Amino acid sequence: AQSVAQPEDQVNVAEGNPLTVKCTYSVSGNPYLFWYVQYPNRGLQFLLKYITGDNLVKGSYGFEAEFNKSQTSFHLKKPSALVSDSALYFCAVTIGTGTYKYIFGTGTRLKVLA
Amino acid sequence: DGGITQSPKYLFRKEGQNVTLSCEQNLNHDAMYWYRQDPGQGLRLIYYSQIVNDFQKGDIAEGYSVSREKKESFPLTVTSAQKNPTAFYLCASTRGGGSGNTIYFGEGSWLTVV
Repeated sequence: AQSVAQPEDQVNVAEGNPLTVKCTYSVSGNPYLFWYVQYPNRGLQFLLKYITGDNLVKGSYGFEAEFNKSQTSFHLKKPSALVSDSALYFCAVTIGTGTYKYIFGTGTRLKVLA
Repeated sequence: DGGITQSPKYLFRKEGQNVTLSCEQNLNHDAMYWYRQDPGQGLRLIYYSQIVNDFQKGDIAEGYSVSREKKESFPLTVTSAQKNPTAFYLCASTRGGGSGNTIYFGEGSWLTVV
């Protein structure tokens, strides 16, 4: 069965410092991986995705993520955090063999401290 | 602008009452989804539809019903059989299954039992 794990419920980081939000996955085929951000009382906004190719994916608002097949991880990163990055972040996975199901992690709350 | 529109944003349900959440998309997407989000938890799939006049149960379909009479519309009815309906409901859509298509979300609807 497909699954996604976000091991940290909350991550605190000082403004200007690099941030990492962790995600690991378990799938039976080749994964397609996604990151989303959610602000209070809003829907999920797409940040970036990994399909194939370069393991480092760049996305919106300066975020990037690194796909590591051997560690089955897809961690979200940003070189310099902003207070406005404080939000709930979700990792998601699907596989490419005709499935319509997307599996989401439980979310990680990022708090950037001024 | 293309997107997914959910309405109403806030809805109150009395005991024993059925309520319907609306979801409309103008992205020309084939697949549509309903997720439930509870505070501090991830997203749980209620129903999804791959094509008009077809839909499948997700992980927590009991107490919910859907229809897909038009490509653009995927309303969700929360029936009186759903004993704990208070939650944030998210509608989403994708171009189709497989190939790592991005799933896009509406702004969500809050349902509260009074």
